[in-house]
Amino acid sequence: QKEVEQNSGPLSVPEGAIASLNCTYSDRVSQSFFWYRQYSGKSPELIMSIYSNGDKEDGRFTAQLNKASQYVSLLIRDSQPSDSATYLCAVIPVSGSARQLTFGSGTQLTVLP
Amino acid sequence: KAGVTQTPRYLIKTRGQQVTLSCSPISGHRSVSWYQQTPGQGLQFLFEYFSETQRNKGNFPGRFSGRQFSNSRSEMNVSTLELGDSALYLCASSQQPNLSGANVLTFGAGSRLTVL
Repeated sequence: QKEVEQNSGPLSVPEGAIASLNCTYSDRVSQSFFWYRQYSGKSPELIMSIYSNGDKEDGRFTAQLNKASQYVSLLIRDSQPSDSATYLCAVIPVSGSARQLTFGSGTQLTVLP
Repeated sequence: KAGVTQTPRYLIKTRGQQVTLSCSPISGHRSVSWYQQTPGQGLQFLFEYFSETQRNKGNFPGRFSGRQFSNSRSEMNVSTLELGDSALYLCASSQQPNLSGANVLTFGAGSRLTVL
Protein backbone atom coordinates (compact mmCIF):
# COMPACT_ATOMS: atom_id res chain seq x y z
CA GLN A 1 0.00 0.00 0.00
CA LYS A 2 1.31 3.42 -0.95
CA GLU A 3 1.85 5.81 1.92
CA VAL A 4 -0.22 8.55 0.29
CA GLU A 5 -2.88 7.77 -2.29
CA GLN A 6 -4.78 10.09 -4.56
CA ASN A 7 -7.12 9.54 -7.48
CA SER A 8 -4.94 10.37 -10.46
CA GLY A 9 -7.88 11.71 -12.43
CA PRO A 10 -8.14 13.49 -14.67
CA LEU A 11 -10.93 15.33 -12.93
CA SER A 12 -12.94 17.77 -15.02
CA VAL A 13 -15.39 20.29 -13.60
CA PRO A 14 -17.22 23.19 -15.23
CA GLU A 15 -16.27 26.75 -14.36
CA GLY A 16 -17.99 27.89 -11.19
CA ALA A 17 -18.46 24.37 -9.82
CA ILE A 18 -16.91 22.85 -6.70
CA ALA A 19 -13.89 20.63 -7.31
CA SER A 20 -13.31 17.94 -4.69
CA LEU A 21 -9.88 16.32 -4.39
CA ASN A 22 -9.28 13.41 -2.06
CA CYS A 23 -6.28 11.84 -0.39
CA THR A 24 -5.78 8.93 2.00
CA TYR A 25 -2.66 8.10 3.98
CA SER A 26 -1.41 4.94 5.64
CA ASP A 27 0.53 6.22 8.68
CA ARG A 28 -2.26 6.73 11.20
CA VAL A 29 -0.12 8.88 13.52
CA SER A 30 0.74 11.45 10.85
CA GLN A 31 0.24 14.97 12.13
CA SER A 32 0.94 17.35 9.24
CA PHE A 33 -0.83 17.53 5.90
CA PHE A 34 -0.30 19.76 2.91
CA TRP A 35 -1.83 20.49 -0.48
CA TYR A 36 0.46 21.68 -3.26
CA ARG A 37 -0.59 22.88 -6.71
CA GLN A 38 1.66 22.25 -9.69
CA TYR A 39 1.04 23.86 -13.05
CA SER A 40 2.40 22.04 -16.07
CA GLY A 41 6.12 22.65 -16.37
CA LYS A 42 6.30 24.47 -13.05
CA SER A 43 7.31 23.55 -9.51
CA PRO A 44 4.84 22.72 -6.73
CA GLU A 45 3.52 25.64 -4.69
CA LEU A 46 1.91 25.31 -1.28
CA ILE A 47 -1.76 26.28 -1.16
CA MET A 48 -2.96 24.81 2.14
CA SER A 49 -1.66 23.14 5.27
CA ILE A 50 -3.79 21.49 7.95
CA TYR A 51 -2.85 19.91 11.25
CA SER A 52 -6.11 19.46 13.21
CA ASN A 53 -9.27 17.52 12.50
CA GLY A 54 -11.99 19.53 10.81
CA ASP A 55 -12.09 22.19 8.13
CA LYS A 56 -9.67 24.98 7.34
CA GLU A 57 -10.74 27.66 4.89
CA ASP A 58 -8.60 30.06 2.87
CA GLY A 59 -10.47 32.02 0.23
CA ARG A 60 -11.96 29.60 -2.28
CA PHE A 61 -10.02 26.68 -0.82
CA THR A 62 -11.13 24.46 2.06
CA ALA A 63 -9.00 21.64 3.43
CA GLN A 64 -10.74 18.92 5.43
CA LEU A 65 -8.95 16.47 7.72
CA ASN A 66 -10.33 13.32 9.33
CA LYS A 67 -7.55 11.55 11.19
CA ALA A 68 -9.79 8.67 12.30
CA SER A 69 -10.47 7.84 8.65
CA GLN A 70 -6.92 8.81 7.56
CA TYR A 71 -8.43 11.08 4.96
CA VAL A 72 -7.68 14.62 3.84
CA SER A 73 -9.48 16.51 1.10
CA LEU A 74 -9.34 19.81 -0.73
CA LEU A 75 -12.42 21.62 -1.95
CA ILE A 76 -12.14 24.40 -4.50
CA ARG A 77 -15.25 26.54 -4.68
CA ASP A 78 -16.19 28.62 -7.72
CA SER A 79 -13.56 26.80 -9.78
CA GLN A 80 -11.79 28.88 -12.42
CA PRO A 81 -9.90 27.79 -15.54
CA SER A 82 -6.76 29.11 -13.81
CA ASP A 83 -7.23 26.37 -11.19
CA SER A 84 -6.43 23.76 -13.86
CA ALA A 85 -3.32 22.05 -12.52
CA THR A 86 -2.13 18.93 -10.74
CA TYR A 87 -2.88 18.92 -7.02
CA LEU A 88 -0.47 17.05 -4.79
CA CYS A 89 -1.32 15.81 -1.33
CA ALA A 90 1.65 15.56 1.02
CA VAL A 91 1.97 14.03 4.46
CA ILE A 92 4.74 13.90 7.04
CA PRO A 93 4.72 10.35 8.41
CA VAL A 94 5.67 10.17 12.07
CA SER A 95 6.73 6.54 12.17
CA GLY A 96 10.18 5.73 10.90
CA SER A 97 13.30 7.81 11.15
CA ALA A 98 12.77 10.14 8.24
CA ARG A 99 10.37 13.02 8.69
CA GLN A 100 10.29 14.12 5.10
CA LEU A 101 7.28 15.15 3.06
CA THR A 102 5.77 12.14 1.31
CA PHE A 103 3.72 13.01 -1.74
CA GLY A 104 0.82 11.34 -3.46
CA SER A 105 0.93 10.90 -7.21
CA GLY A 106 -1.30 13.94 -7.72
CA THR A 107 -4.75 14.57 -9.19
CA GLN A 108 -4.95 16.40 -12.49
CA LEU A 109 -7.79 18.94 -12.44
CA THR A 110 -9.21 20.61 -15.52
CA VAL A 111 -11.74 23.42 -15.14
CA LEU A 112 -13.75 23.81 -18.32
CA PRO A 113 -14.81 27.34 -19.34
CA LYS B 1 12.43 38.24 -0.88
CA ALA B 2 14.07 36.00 -3.46
CA GLY B 3 12.76 32.46 -3.73
CA VAL B 4 14.64 29.21 -3.98
CA THR B 5 17.12 29.40 -6.85
CA GLN B 6 18.24 26.34 -8.74
CA THR B 7 20.91 26.11 -11.42
CA PRO B 8 21.17 25.01 -14.10
CA ARG B 9 17.54 24.93 -15.21
CA TYR B 10 18.12 22.47 -18.03
CA LEU B 11 20.94 20.15 -18.87
CA ILE B 12 21.64 17.20 -21.10
CA LYS B 13 24.15 14.51 -20.21
CA THR B 14 25.10 11.11 -21.56
CA ARG B 15 25.13 7.81 -19.72
CA GLY B 16 28.12 7.36 -17.46
CA GLN B 17 28.71 11.07 -16.93
CA GLN B 18 28.16 12.86 -13.66
CA VAL B 19 26.21 15.99 -12.88
CA THR B 20 26.16 18.59 -10.12
CA LEU B 21 23.06 20.66 -9.37
CA SER B 22 23.02 23.74 -7.20
CA CYS B 23 20.39 25.22 -4.90
CA SER B 24 20.30 28.52 -3.03
CA PRO B 25 17.55 28.55 -0.39
CA ILE B 26 15.38 31.48 0.60
CA SER B 27 17.36 33.92 2.71
CA GLY B 28 17.15 32.82 6.34
CA HIS B 29 16.16 29.26 5.50
CA ARG B 30 18.62 26.74 6.84
CA SER B 31 17.03 23.46 5.81
CA VAL B 32 17.30 22.23 2.23
CA SER B 33 15.60 19.15 0.79
CA TRP B 34 15.98 17.56 -2.61
CA TYR B 35 13.29 15.68 -4.53
CA GLN B 36 13.24 13.81 -7.81
CA GLN B 37 10.10 14.06 -9.94
CA THR B 38 9.37 11.65 -12.78
CA PRO B 39 6.08 10.87 -14.58
CA GLY B 40 6.14 7.28 -13.37
CA GLN B 41 7.25 7.67 -9.74
CA GLY B 42 6.04 11.16 -8.92
CA LEU B 43 7.85 13.21 -6.32
CA GLN B 44 10.36 11.19 -4.35
CA PHE B 45 12.49 12.41 -1.46
CA LEU B 46 16.25 12.29 -1.99
CA PHE B 47 17.81 13.89 1.08
CA GLU B 48 17.60 16.75 3.55
CA TYR B 49 20.36 18.96 4.91
CA PHE B 50 20.43 21.23 7.92
CA SER B 51 23.46 23.00 9.33
CA GLU B 52 25.72 21.29 6.79
CA THR B 53 24.59 17.86 8.00
CA GLN B 54 22.51 15.30 6.16
CA ARG B 55 19.53 14.62 8.40
CA ASN B 56 17.51 12.26 6.25
CA LYS B 57 18.06 10.22 3.13
CA GLY B 58 15.51 8.64 0.82
CA ASN B 59 15.71 5.29 -0.88
CA PHE B 60 18.14 6.13 -3.67
CA PRO B 61 21.45 4.46 -4.59
CA GLY B 62 24.77 5.82 -3.43
CA ARG B 63 25.31 7.44 -6.84
CA PHE B 64 23.13 10.23 -5.49
CA SER B 65 24.90 12.45 -2.99
CA GLY B 66 24.68 15.95 -1.68
CA ARG B 67 26.18 18.49 0.61
CA GLN B 68 25.37 21.78 2.24
CA PHE B 69 27.67 24.72 2.75
CA SER B 70 27.91 27.11 5.68
CA ASN B 71 25.77 29.68 3.84
CA SER B 72 23.01 27.02 3.54
CA ARG B 73 23.49 26.64 -0.22
CA SER B 74 23.32 23.03 -1.27
CA GLU B 75 24.54 20.88 -4.13
CA MET B 76 23.55 17.43 -5.22
CA ASN B 77 25.63 15.15 -7.37
CA VAL B 78 24.67 12.16 -9.46
CA SER B 79 27.52 9.98 -10.68
CA THR B 80 27.56 7.37 -13.41
CA LEU B 81 24.33 8.64 -14.91
CA GLU B 82 21.72 6.18 -16.13
CA LEU B 83 18.84 6.78 -18.53
CA GLY B 84 16.43 6.41 -15.62
CA ASP B 85 17.97 9.43 -13.89
CA SER B 86 16.24 11.70 -16.40
CA ALA B 87 13.92 13.74 -14.22
CA LEU B 88 13.08 17.10 -12.74
CA TYR B 89 15.20 17.63 -9.65
CA LEU B 90 13.55 19.94 -7.19
CA CYS B 91 15.16 21.70 -4.28
CA ALA B 92 13.04 23.02 -1.44
CA SER B 93 13.90 25.05 1.61
CA SER B 94 12.38 25.75 5.01
CA GLN B 95 13.46 27.74 8.03
CA GLN B 96 13.90 24.65 10.17
CA PRO B 97 13.76 20.91 9.48
CA ASN B 98 10.50 20.12 11.28
CA LEU B 99 7.67 21.38 9.08
CA SER B 100 4.66 22.83 10.88
CA GLY B 101 2.78 26.08 11.22
CA ALA B 102 4.64 28.82 9.46
CA ASN B 103 7.63 26.61 8.76
CA VAL B 104 6.64 25.19 5.40
CA LEU B 105 8.51 23.83 2.42
CA THR B 106 9.01 26.14 -0.58
CA PHE B 107 10.20 24.69 -3.87
CA GLY B 108 12.53 26.08 -6.48
CA ALA B 109 11.82 25.94 -10.21
CA GLY B 110 13.83 22.76 -10.60
CA SER B 111 16.64 21.46 -12.76
CA ARG B 112 15.49 19.30 -15.65
CA LEU B 113 18.06 16.63 -16.41
CA THR B 114 17.96 14.59 -19.59
CA VAL B 115 20.28 11.60 -19.85
CA LEU B 116 20.92 10.31 -23.37
